[in-house]
Amino acid sequence: QSVLTQPPSVSAAPGQKVTISCSGSTSNIGNNFVSWYRQLPGTAPKLLIYDNSERPSGIPDRFSGSRSGTSATLGITGLQTGDEGDYYCGTWDSSLSVYFFGTGTKVTV
Amino acid sequence: QVQVQESGPGLVRPSETLSLACTVSGASVTDYYWNWIRQAPGQGLEWIGYIFFSGSSKQNPSLKSRVSMSLDMSQNQVSLKLISVTAADTAVYYCARGDDFNPGWFDPWGQGTLVTVSS
Repeated sequence: QSVLTQPPSVSAAPGQKVTISCSGSTSNIGNNFVSWYRQLPGTAPKLLIYDNSERPSGIPDRFSGSRSGTSATLGITGLQTGDEGDYYCGTWDSSLSVYFFGTGTKVTV
Repeated sequence: QVQVQESGPGLVRPSETLSLACTVSGASVTDYYWNWIRQAPGQGLEWIGYIFFSGSSKQNPSLKSRVSMSLDMSQNQVSLKLISVTAADTAVYYCARGDDFNPGWFDPWGQGTLVTVSS
């Protein structure tokens, strides 16, 4: 069981914006960097955001991340049908000494 | 750029040992933290643990007693062994580069390899 809670699903029309929340606690999100991953159907997860809000090279600025207190948020603007898939947040939990992924959110465009 | 690829048997019998290899290209296995992550069918992601070239490793406490990892610098490979497997260990196993002693992110990931535990 994950200690990071995400909404099961979000949806929006092409070109619109969605936000995905990731809720945790002081032992994880509150004191450690958050990363976000996208998993397209049948493929491996891919890093979208690291250190709460940084984008790796090659990730478009349609993707953004933020952290406030014990929650983090991924924003996706200009939604495309190719964005459909599962999105996971992740962070280290200092109390449990485990890296946790969030429960996952299915994005439908 | 760094690439990783998992390999190993797709079928393991219950109570036996699951053994996987992760071949790294574009970097030396001595340079980073190498993590294993798995995903049961239709489920979310579970971090298994990592190994670093110094010999240090860290495992998920839920699997710690059954997991071991090692580096083969001659082959530039990382290996995972999981003993006493059960059907609950059926999953796609991913290898991924990590950034730090307490992992912050994983990139890149391998394509994953499906391991089914069944008699």
